[in-house]
Amino acid sequence: DAKTTQPPSMDCAEGRAANLPCNHSTISGNEYVYWYRQIHSQGPQYIIHGLKNNETNEMASLIITEDRKSSTLILPHATLRDTAVYYCIVRPGGNTGKLIFGQGTTLQVKP
Amino acid sequence: AAGVIQSPRHLIKEKRETATLKCYPIPRHDTVYWYQQGPGQDPQFLISFYEKMQSDKGSIPDRFSAQQFSDYHSELNMSSLELGDSALYFCASSSGGRVTDTQYFGPGTRLTVL
Repeated sequence: DAKTTQPPSMDCAEGRAANLPCNHSTISGNEYVYWYRQIHSQGPQYIIHGLKNNETNEMASLIITEDRKSSTLILPHATLRDTAVYYCIVRPGGNTGKLIFGQGTTLQVKP
Repeated sequence: AAGVIQSPRHLIKEKRETATLKCYPIPRHDTVYWYQQGPGQDPQFLISFYEKMQSDKGSIPDRFSAQQFSDYHSELNMSSLELGDSALYFCASSSGGRVTDTQYFGPGTRLTVL
């Protein structure tokens, strides 16, 4: 299974963009990059996913490098409610679909 | 929109007792996943079901068993409870059981073993 590496913590000012990096240098060609977040012991919340193209939805944008070895999650205008642990997950191949959570990045949005 | 429902939300048990956690997936979702999150830890995959058949198994103790019923709800049965079983238990559901299907999580059941 591809391993991901994320910084343990980051700060962001409210209203500014939050850019959360993730390294996944051993990712395979058919593995997707998923981002989830967990707000204080709530159930993890799906944010976005992608394979090789950049993706955008109402919550965030996902930028994947051309070699697919790293990606960046962008929250365009962070609010205090975005304070959470953000997990970058590479879904293993096959059809089981389990999520393997790594350490994640604790994002603290400050006023 | 309907979400994943888990019951109970909180459960307190004594050591060596048995506990049953229930998960009701989003309507028309046919795949259920169970995760365990210990204090200060990240969620860990336990087991999953697709169309009522076990599809994958993680680090689930032999004391735990689970199944998915004909209405697609799932139950996680935990016997001979130990102090270390105290954790948040999350259920997630998706449609299709494929690696690209997005999983949506429930609010979790907080199990405390005394």
